[in-house]
Order: sequence, then C-alpha cells, then structure tokens
Amino acid sequence: NFMLTQPHSVSESPGKTVTISCTASSGSIASNYVVWYQQRPGSAPTAVIYEDNRRPSGVPDRFSGSIDRSTNSASLTISGLTTEDEADYYCQSYDANSHVLFGGGTKLTVL
Amino acid sequence: QVHLVESGGGVVQPGRSLRLSCAASGFTFSSYAMHWVRQAPGKGLEWVAIISSDRSYKYSADSLKGRFTISRDNSKNTLYLQMNSLRLDDTAVYYCASPAGARYLHLWGQGTLVTVSS
Repeated sequence: NFMLTQPHSVSESPGKTVTISCTASSGSIASNYVVWYQQRPGSAPTAVIYEDNRRPSGVPDRFSGSIDRSTNSASLTISGLTTEDEADYYCQSYDANSHVLFGGGTKLTVL
Repeated sequence: QVHLVESGGGVVQPGRSLRLSCAASGFTFSSYAMHWVRQAPGKGLEWVAIISSDRSYKYSADSLKGRFTISRDNSKNTLYLQMNSLRLDDTAVYYCASPAGARYLHLWGQGTLVTVSS
C-alpha cells in the first residue's frame, strides 16, 4: 500500500528555519501534487502549500514547498519561525486510485 | 460567509449505527465534491470518503470494509455519512471538507466527535 512517511516531530528555535519531509513509499512523489496542511490544537486543518509549492492566499512567504525526486520526498520549509507556527503539519497526496492520502503528521515545536 | 457545520456525533455502543450530517452554506454546494476526513484522539488525519458533486461517484476508504456510506442532498445543501457496525477504533472527530474550487481541501467544518464505547 502506498504511504507517505513523515517524521513524528521536529523542533527548532524562533527565527530559525525548519524543514519537514514527506517520503513516498512507492512510485514517484512527483506523480501527484502534494498539499501541506497546518493544524493547531482544537482546530481543523488549513492548507499552507498546494500543488507542491504554491501558497494559498494569506499564507506568508515564510512557507515554501518542494519536491526531491532523488529522495522521492516532498518538503515543507518554514523560515523565520515564530511560536505561532507551532502546530501539527500533514502532507497529503493521492493513492493509486486518485483518492486522498495523508501522511502521518509531524509535530513542530518552536522553543 | 462560507460554512460547513457537522452534526450527529455522540456516544454510541459498538455494533450500532450513526449518521453524521454536514450542512453547507455560503457557496454553491451542488458544484463541488465533498469529503469526510476523521481524526482519532491524539492521532493523524485519515481520509474516509468522497462523493462527486452530482453523486455519480462515491467511494469510501478500503479500511472501512464497506461499513460507511457517503451521500448528499444538493436540494438541502447537506452531506451525510452513514456509519454502520461501529467499532471502538472508529472513535474520532469527523470533519467534512471540500475543495470548493481550490486544488486542495479548502473548506473544513469544525468537526463532530463520535465516541464508540460500551
């Protein structure tokens, strides 16, 4: 079964840059677009990146996305970290039947 | 204002059924596919089901083994999830969501909690 694997947690200091990876278990990560969602405690997810590297309206340019074919991974990079960025982040793509598939999520701690 | 509001959650015994609803407002509900996504306590997001705008296509996650059925009533701007033979591991917050014209799940409800417990 196709899976998207994310690190369970990452941490970084305010003002720094952090990158969260999302690795596809099979096939090519580039075969389908990747979306990244931010979810704060008690709230529904909101997209911060779509179509691998595009930002929805209102998302600051501190958030960026990329694809690395050599590692079969997508990455979310957040620069100039603030405490407001502390949240869970999920990558999302599509399985072989074009159905939505989420990664396991990464807890970002800004300390 | 655009809204998705889920309802119908609660405490239910294993083996019983429950129907969730998601009321849409502020956008043309009948034009867009709708999804259900769930999140068990302290766990990640799990996609549950999709239905096309005109109901011609619907699909539920294989892991659910046919126990859940998604449906919609475009005349009532409402999405449904019929959940049968509920199990303890179906305990989760259930969200309805829609791309609503975007290239990602743009609109989300606030979620409704389903607790399966004896």
